[in-house]
Amino acid sequence: GAVVSQHPSWVICKSGTSVKIECRSLDFQATTMFWYRQFPKQSLMLMATSNEGSKATYEQGVEKDKFLINHASLTLSTLTVTSAHPEDSSFYICSASGLAGGSTDTQYFGPGTRLTVL
Amino acid sequence: RKEVEQDPGPFNVPEGATVAFNCTYSNSASQSFFWYRQDCRKEPKLLMSVYSSGNEDGRFTAQLNRASQYISLLIRDSKLSDSATYLCVVNRRGITGGGNKLTFGTGTQLKVEL
Repeated sequence: GAVVSQHPSWVICKSGTSVKIECRSLDFQATTMFWYRQFPKQSLMLMATSNEGSKATYEQGVEKDKFLINHASLTLSTLTVTSAHPEDSSFYICSASGLAGGSTDTQYFGPGTRLTVL
Repeated sequence: RKEVEQDPGPFNVPEGATVAFNCTYSNSASQSFFWYRQDCRKEPKLLMSVYSSGNEDGRFTAQLNRASQYISLLIRDSKLSDSATYLCVVNRRGITGGGNKLTFGTGTQLKVEL
């Protein structure tokens, strides 16, 4: 149980385009979803926290107009990188927490999406 | 100062060796502590939680010292498959009460060799 999927696994796009990444909790209802970003040889950095049906809370330094987060249902959150630039190239990972049979504090991670912007 | 600090390594050890990783955290309000394992180009996977009394899971032993704000992970009889990056992770409640937040260390890389 407690499986989180992400789609796509990887994406290559041209500078200036927008890219949408989906995060789904497959077998539990995720009341909270988190979006992280990881640059090479660096730690995962939390970008934003989203609760179903409400606006996401962004970490300091993360532009909310550039990284649009939607958490419209208890099983799906999306992250849209708008007008992507090469510096946005990174590994984007989502996690979900909720009533998955364990503590509601446990976060279950998706497999990540590797974004390369040319 | 980083919230969670780890020696990045790499630690190169022979198969069968015992290896220990350390981690310090700066926020005394931290409530939960974990070790995650991350393989190259993959997502992190929970290895074990860390409790004040210390806990063991097979070849892995984790310890927490709240007074010193220090966490450790010991791996005994290391296997080739243990080669990965080990992330020290700290969980604290959001300041606005908006739920838990995980803060990750940069990780310590372990390479187990024949």
